[in-house]
Amino acid sequence: ETGVTQSPTHLIKTRGQQVTLRCSSQSGHNTVSWYQQALGQGPQFIFQYYREEENGRGNFPPRFSGLQFPNYSSELNVNALELDDSALYLCASSLEGQGARNTEAFFGQGTRLTVV
Amino acid sequence: SQQGEEDPQALSIQEGENATMNCSYKTSINNLQWYRQNSGRGLVHLILIRSNEREKHSGRLRVTLDTSKKSSSLLITASRAADTASYFCATGQNSGYSTLTFGKGTMLLVSP
Repeated sequence: ETGVTQSPTHLIKTRGQQVTLRCSSQSGHNTVSWYQQALGQGPQFIFQYYREEENGRGNFPPRFSGLQFPNYSSELNVNALELDDSALYLCASSLEGQGARNTEAFFGQGTRLTVV
Repeated sequence: SQQGEEDPQALSIQEGENATMNCSYKTSINNLQWYRQNSGRGLVHLILIRSNEREKHSGRLRVTLDTSKKSSSLLITASRAADTASYFCATGQNSGYSTLTFGKGTMLLVSP
């Protein structure tokens, strides 16, 4: 158990809809990163939130957006869903800044999103 | 884009045997982390090795890092059926923010 929780665990949406996925970070961690994992692939970095601001972004379009709250939990929002958005969405919690370097990232169990 | 490439893509062994997985990467790194994933669920952190370290142990796991060859290996000794999973290496970079770049993974099957 990493202490990182994601909800929901499974979700089915229709193409064109919007979806919100949630992540609670591990106690003591201040950073949440989101990853998309397509079937048979490794996770791909979507973006990272640190101190409630987007701190870095991978190669994903603007319809992928996020939020981080004062308690360091986070949301991933995807608008105008496409069939190719079907994937496992993982959030990772870590401690960044404050002199912390080379720290482990701990992952939640993921949300399996299916777009039909 | 995927920086790390694991080799082999799939590995099948018997319980009690050792399993070795390799990872190669392309750019300079701060650290390299290995993860395990069971049945498409969350990633379990196994071990982190820093760029200035060459070898690290954790229980039945041994990780090596060769930054001159941009490669790492994960050795699981005395494997068990419960070790059956996909294993990913992830390189950690720090370019203003830290992120992990994953390979496609090695699928390990340990038969009783």
